[in-house]
Amino acid sequence: EVQLVQSGAEVKKPGESLKISCKGSGYSFTSYWIGWVRQMPGKGLEWMGIIYPGDSDTRYSPSFQGQVTISADKSISTAYLQWSSLKASDTAMYYCARASPSGWYWVYWGQGTLVTVSS
Amino acid sequence: SYELTQPPSVSVSPGQTARITCSGDALPKKYAYWYQQKSGQAPVLVIYEDSKRPSGIPERFSGSSSGTMATLTISGAQVEDEADYYCYSTDSSGNLWVFGGGTKLTVL
Repeated sequence: EVQLVQSGAEVKKPGESLKISCKGSGYSFTSYWIGWVRQMPGKGLEWMGIIYPGDSDTRYSPSFQGQVTISADKSISTAYLQWSSLKASDTAMYYCARASPSGWYWVYWGQGTLVTVSS
Repeated sequence: SYELTQPPSVSVSPGQTARITCSGDALPKKYAYWYQQKSGQAPVLVIYEDSKRPSGIPERFSGSSSGTMATLTISGAQVEDEADYYCYSTDSSGNLWVFGGGTKLTVL
């Protein structure tokens, strides 16, 4: 069974750094793209970026380029989303998702990680 | 940038047919995908490649695409189909993927 298990909720202050994780199991982690999706409170879904753990090829949405870093450690089947300096506007639910073999659309989703940034 | 446009809300009575549209300039050449998101839950794929239904998705969910518009149809909508629905696709380059703004479906 394919599973994506995300790290727990975080409460941070503006300016702090953060790295959240997404651990894949039940499939070959290096063979499928994994992406990150943001959902701000009461708002819609936003595609942030995607990584291929096999070779770490990474693509970002222009809206998130330079704002976050996506990475993966294939030795532990885990993808990451990180911020170097959080802002209050980063408060959101963040989902990781695994792509289909045939395209960058999401078939399996993590449970989401709620990030709250507040002074 | 690239945008997919959906109506903010659609409302139907139980048993009626609900249609949710999604317009985008690249849709004549790119597939549309549809996600259902119930309150407090992760999204679920209900239609892929314009009209294909993943296993486990009820037959009342169907999809179509013509020109610059894709449509999700729920035939005989049920109360449990109340959710936000998002279309998803890519621009003409295939490198920028976006979600539509979402449509809140009310069944009552």
